[in-house]
Amino acid sequence: GAGVSQSPSNKVTEKGKDVELRCDPISGHTALYWYRQSLGQGLEFLIYFQGNSAPDKSGLPSDRFSAERTGGSVSTLTIQRTQQEDSAVYLCASSLFPPDQETQYFGPGTRLLVL
Amino acid sequence: GENVEQHPSTLSVQEGDSAVIKCTYSDSASNYFPWYKQELGKRPQLIIDIRSNVGEKKDQRIAVTLNKTAKHFSLHITETQPEDSAVYFCAASRGGGFKTIFGAGTRLFVKA
Repeated sequence: GAGVSQSPSNKVTEKGKDVELRCDPISGHTALYWYRQSLGQGLEFLIYFQGNSAPDKSGLPSDRFSAERTGGSVSTLTIQRTQQEDSAVYLCASSLFPPDQETQYFGPGTRLLVL
Repeated sequence: GENVEQHPSTLSVQEGDSAVIKCTYSDSASNYFPWYKQELGKRPQLIIDIRSNVGEKKDQRIAVTLNKTAKHFSLHITETQPEDSAVYFCAASRGGGFKTIFGAGTRLFVKA
């Protein structure tokens, strides 16, 4: 079946502009995660959505970052007033129904470059 | 806050040798420990995981061990092959309803 998809695959923007990154999880997956991966680095947790529960936003690096998940499916990560240090690959993942099915299925990522 | 330390950052082995990657975690409430493999230019994929109620789990050439008292867990790959070359990430989580914290990754090179 279809996996996790993300759009756009690449985004180049100018410093100070806002960007929106989209994630379409696997159908039926209740958990959705956003991570940031800087070049050659690990996966930095940003935010986690689980069903109708309040999201865990503890990983968002600043108030310029926000995310929402509409209808328990598609999620959008918004970065306002982008800075050069925001340049990274933003990965989205979904899982079926923790705690029984916790395998995270990752999307291909959005490569963001802030000039 | 929660933290996962992973070592080494880079590991180079000869084909056929074993590779061991070690991680430590800080959150004593963690009870789920997955390992992900990320090949160059691709997305991470789960290769094995372990829960806190077991000390070891094996799947063909890969195995994971867990020491809850010491808050250590390790990935063991035996009879390494060139296609094992990738970045490996360990992670820790409290389980369903909680976030997952990843280690910084280990870049494994298997020389033919």
